[in-house]
Amino acid sequence: EIVMTQSPATLSVSPGERATLSCRASQSVSSNLAWYQQKPGQAPRLLIYGASTRATGIPARFSGSGSGTEFTLTISSLQSEDFAVYYCQQYNNWPGGFTFGPGTKVDIK
Amino acid sequence: EVQLVESGGGLVQPGGSLRLSCAASGFTFSSYAMSWVRQAPGKGLEWVSAISGSGGSTYYADSVKGRFTISRDNSKNTLYLQMNSLRAEDTAVYYCAKAKAAAGLVNAFDIWGQGTMVTVSS
Repeated sequence: EIVMTQSPATLSVSPGERATLSCRASQSVSSNLAWYQQKPGQAPRLLIYGASTRATGIPARFSGSGSGTEFTLTISSLQSEDFAVYYCQQYNNWPGGFTFGPGTKVDIK
Repeated sequence: EVQLVESGGGLVQPGGSLRLSCAASGFTFSSYAMSWVRQAPGKGLEWVSAISGSGGSTYYADSVKGRFTISRDNSKNTLYLQMNSLRAEDTAVYYCAKAKAAAGLVNAFDIWGQGTMVTVSS
């Protein structure tokens, strides 16, 4: 089973600042990596798939990079609506199943 | 509008059963693999089960294998999760999720339902 880790667990950022979130896989997942945003009481929302492709309707301030085992989600200038929990997910290890990271909470500094 | 709406959650005793449903609309349901993902209170996301577009292939997380059964009725645009032998650790919000691309299970999930809460407690 591929284990996903995320760092930091919590990231405190001021509005307008840049946020950089990391995700690591225990073995290569190629570019089969997605990022999701989840706000309290809501379902997750797909932000990035294929490690770097923004999903439909996602603002350009969200960008993804990386391949293999190391991935990054960058939010270039945090808006108030971006404070949420962010999860990475690998979908490369099939049929072994999909695995999510534990999440990074982005909160207001 | 592409939409997924779950139903069927509730309170059940340990060892009991429950069937969740997920009604899909706004896309060609039979063309897309579907999954169930759960989230225990205050915890992260856990993939539970997936099914191919035709329903001919099914997959399960080890934590639910042998207890849960995923199925779909493409004539009714509905996904199901039959949950048997429920345990306290199955308590969670259960989401259904659509694969982003047609024809394939190896995909991100681009559409999620609002979730249905399952509580296993005596």
